[in-house]
Amino acid sequence: DQQVKQNSPSLSVQEGRISILNCDYTNSMFDYFLWYKKYPAEGPTFLISISSIKDKNEDGRFTVFLNKSAKHLSLHIVPSQPGDSAVYFCAAGEYSGGGADGLTFGKGTHLIIQP
Amino acid sequence: EAGVAQSPRYKIIEKRQSVAFWCNPISGHATLYWYQQILGQGPKLLIQFQNNGVVDDSQLPKDRFSAERLKGVDSTLKIQPAKLEDSAVYLCASSPGQQTNTGELFFGEGSRLTVL
Repeated sequence: DQQVKQNSPSLSVQEGRISILNCDYTNSMFDYFLWYKKYPAEGPTFLISISSIKDKNEDGRFTVFLNKSAKHLSLHIVPSQPGDSAVYFCAAGEYSGGGADGLTFGKGTHLIIQP
Repeated sequence: EAGVAQSPRYKIIEKRQSVAFWCNPISGHATLYWYQQILGQGPKLLIQFQNNGVVDDSQLPKDRFSAERLKGVDSTLKIQPAKLEDSAVYLCASSPGQQTNTGELFFGEGSRLTVL
């Protein structure tokens, strides 16, 4: 049972336009959600996160929106740049015992920014 | 600040052979995780340590996989005997071990295993 789903394996966007990556989840107990970016032959790097008690978090060109009733979150990148081309993973986690449990990841979306 | 260190970066073995991966987390991070990422999939948690104790190993195939973190710092993940389906990137991650604002895990570059 996949608790975090990214239904678009790939997305192609023109440079300068908005990129929107989507993620759905099934576990209502998740306390926080994160987006990771991954280049080939590198480990995932943290991009942005959002707590389950918020509906929006913004950091520069990156904004994450959370719709708890729909169990859906999205990552907006504006404007998209060539360096944004990478695989983006949606992840979710729960707090327990004062620490962070391991994250549950989606399968990823390969974002391609075209010049 | 040094990041999460992993070795080796690449390993090719034949099925039924054994392999070991090493991870050194960020200094001071109490929690260490091993993930398996198969091509085209997202990372899947294999085992989580809090200091030198196991917090979660529910998805670790214990008939062939083992992991230890004896002194609560670095960790070793072993596969014996390896199967073809173990071909994947093995990612180590660490976190401070207490509640943070983001829940962020810090990942190493991974160890790519190919089983022939």
